[in-house]
Amino acid sequence: ETGVTQTPRHLVMGMTNKKSLKCEQHLGHNAMYWYKQSAKKPLELMFVYNFKEQTENNSVPSRFSPECPNSSHLFLHLHTLQPEDSALYLCASSQGGLAGEETQYFGPGTRLLVL
Amino acid sequence: KNEVEQSPQNLTAQEGEFITINCSYSVGISALHWLQQHPGGGIVSLFMLSSGKKKHGRLIATINIQEKHSSLHITASHPRDSAVYICAVRLLHQFYFGTGTSLTVIP
Repeated sequence: ETGVTQTPRHLVMGMTNKKSLKCEQHLGHNAMYWYKQSAKKPLELMFVYNFKEQTENNSVPSRFSPECPNSSHLFLHLHTLQPEDSALYLCASSQGGLAGEETQYFGPGTRLLVL
Repeated sequence: KNEVEQSPQNLTAQEGEFITINCSYSVGISALHWLQQHPGGGIVSLFMLSSGKKKHGRLIATINIQEKHSSLHITASHPRDSAVYICAVRLLHQFYFGTGTSLTVIP
């Protein structure tokens, strides 16, 4: 148990659906991250929020929309996804700062299947 | 070509063996991470280092900045060490990940 929870753990959705992934951290951290992990590919950093402000958006398609209402919660809103978006989506948090310059604590991930 | 290369991709060892996983990167970095991912997806951060060597229990991580290379060593390996080990680095404004080394330790 890392102190970072994600819901749901598994999600199946059609290409026309709208769904949201939720991440919550209980560590008092100020930075939160979304990652995508596709089969046989390296982890990809999608979004970074520092003190509720989005500081990085690594060329992610607009069908993925992040939201960070406070330092403890992070959402990833999904709409009109494609089958190639099927992957494990991981949330992480850290004290606050540049991604990659602090120890990050990961959630268990949401395994997403787009049909 | 990936900015972070790991070797080997797959590794099988007998319980008790000394294990080394290597990571090479292409440009200057501010920090390097070693992560452990168990089946089912959960990721644990093992080390973050920018120079020298760190040790935690049976795990040792080293980095050589001049050679742009890092190694993760596991002493007295155990079946519970079976996992995917991922190297990641901060390069400029990007955070890059290796494809991972899948380790299986056989009793």
